[in-house]
Amino acid sequence: EAGVVQSPRYKIIEKKQPVAFWCNPISGHNTLYWYLQNLGQGPELLIRYENEEAVDDSQLPKDRFSAERLKGVDSTLKIQPAELGDSAVYLCASSFSGRGELFFGEGSRLTVL
Amino acid sequence: QKEVEQNSGPLSVPEGAIASLNCTYSDRGSQSFFWYRQYSGKSPELIMSIYSNGDKEDGRFTAQLNKASQYVSLLIRDSQPSDSATYLCAVSHAGNMLTFGGGTRLMVKP
Repeated sequence: EAGVVQSPRYKIIEKKQPVAFWCNPISGHNTLYWYLQNLGQGPELLIRYENEEAVDDSQLPKDRFSAERLKGVDSTLKIQPAELGDSAVYLCASSFSGRGELFFGEGSRLTVL
Repeated sequence: QKEVEQNSGPLSVPEGAIASLNCTYSDRGSQSFFWYRQYSGKSPELIMSIYSNGDKEDGRFTAQLNKASQYVSLLIRDSQPSDSATYLCAVSHAGNMLTFGGGTRLMVKP
């Protein structure tokens, strides 16, 4: 069974440029999460989807971040414009039960110069 | 804000010893508790879940939960160098919100 797939794995951009990350969850997993992880810290939730509905996006900086989950499957996280402080690893995870048993993708490492 | 606290470490133990990792949480309404392991440069992977007070054993790992004290721990018996990683405590609140602690870095020395 394929795991959670994310792309790109690495992205280097200059500040003020846009960037997008894509995630394909495990088949059948209705809950999808985007987390941000800074070096030496735990993951911080950005947004959680139940099917195609965003049910928890209180930590998403909506002035520059946006996300969508079309047809309740794949999801895209966008940052526009990127700032230096956005440099981090963006983790996508999915879950069947939504209880906390998450399967993570390999992450997308963003460097903003 | 729901908080999950862990000592960042590093916690250093000799090979074969018991490693004890601890976690406290602030929300008394928390329902489910998880331990994730994260190797350097990799993503977190689930190793243990616990839902009721007491101990839960899985191989060399034992999770312990005390809801009255708002305390979760993970014991690793017969620690191996391959156990060297960061261990993340995660707590699920009402509405399936999952909050992670900052993680404890474990180093097992041969």
